[in-house]
This record gives sequence, C-alpha cells and structure tokens, in this order.
Amino acid sequence: QQQVKQSPQSLIVQKGGISIINCAYENTAFDYFPWYQQFPGKGPALLIAIRPDVSEKKEGRFTISFNKSAKQFSLHIMDSQPGDSATYFCAAFREYGNKLVFGAGTILRVKS
Amino acid sequence: DTAVSQTPKYLVTQMGNDKSIKCEQNLGHDTMYWYKQDSKKFLKIMFSYNNKELIINETVPNRFSPKSPDKAHLNLHINSLELGDSAVYFCASSQDLREAGANVLTFGAGSRLTVL
Repeated sequence: QQQVKQSPQSLIVQKGGISIINCAYENTAFDYFPWYQQFPGKGPALLIAIRPDVSEKKEGRFTISFNKSAKQFSLHIMDSQPGDSATYFCAAFREYGNKLVFGAGTILRVKS
Repeated sequence: DTAVSQTPKYLVTQMGNDKSIKCEQNLGHDTMYWYKQDSKKFLKIMFSYNNKELIINETVPNRFSPKSPDKAHLNLHINSLELGDSAVYFCASSQDLREAGANVLTFGAGSRLTVL
C-alpha cells in the first residue's frame, strides 16, 4: 500500500506557467518531507524539503506548501521552464523504521 | 569526482543467471541504500546499511543479497534472475539515517537491468 500518494501522474505546462504537484500522507509520524527531481538517465536529486512545523518554504522558483491538518503538501514551480522537465517525487521520512518513503512520481513536461 | 558511483550502468542477461551491481560513495556517509525503480518509475527501498550493518531489509526475495565490505561500498548480488527483476536499481547514501533533517539521500545514476 502506498504511504505517500502523489498526483497527477503526468503534467504538461506551458513555459512561464505554474506547475503544481500534490502529495498526501496518512502516517502522522512522518516529520520530514523532501522533494526529489529526476532527469532521464540520472538518479533523483534533492530539490527542496520542509518540516511539518512550517507551512511554506520557498527556494527560488520552487515552493513547498504544507498543510499539517489535512496531511497534504504540494510543490509549486513558478515561471516553469523547459529545463524543469523531469520526474518529480515527493517523499516522507519517519525516524521509526528509518526510511524515506517516496510517492509514485509526476512526469512534468514544460512546453516552450 | 562522482559522489555515488555504481557499475555497470547497463546490464542485459538471461533468466536464471546470477549478476552483481557494485556501488561506491566518496562522501564519507555512514548509511547506504539500494532502491528499485520499476517501469512506472516507482521508487521502492530494498535495503539499507549503516556502517556495514544491515538495518532495513524490505520484503525482497532472498535471491537478492546485499554485501557491504566497508561503509563506502554496498554491492547487490542477485541470484537466479527472473523477468520481473528487470528495473533500474539505484544506490544511494546519506549522512545520518536517524536525524530527519539530515536524511538527504544522494543517489547514483542507476543501473538498468534487463532480464531476457
């Protein structure tokens, strides 16, 4: 069973638009929520991360919004660029069990 | 100067064969992992080692055996390969498994295994 649910599976956005990817989790023991970006033929790389005591974190064009009561978090990519085209994974970490659990991934394509 | 390097990058083999994938990290990290990425890109943890000690062993067939000769290396050996083993296998490492804020995984580039 998937502990972190991610949507949509794929997303096409025009250059300059906003890309939004959503994730939801059930286990309230999760206490760290990173996003990873994966380009074809490469391994995933950490993009941005948030803890549940913060509702928003921004790094450049990338913003995580976190809603603890709804157990949801999302990635917003502002002014999306063709170079942002990649697969994005949300993830959640809980100390007990000591493992990072990934969402199913979203394939983003930014059209120029 | 690759931080996490794994070899081979591609591996094509017949059903029933035994194969190994090697992984090395030069980051000085204490924890190493193997993840499997299937054709739908779903990433699932298989194993993790902390300082050569196995700490996570997900429900993986015992045909898969990880081996960590030292904390910089974690190899994956697969016996009696099956068609369903075809996937991309990623090695990763992190500094401290138990501290959430430090749990930044650095991934290798992946090893694509194709079983015919």
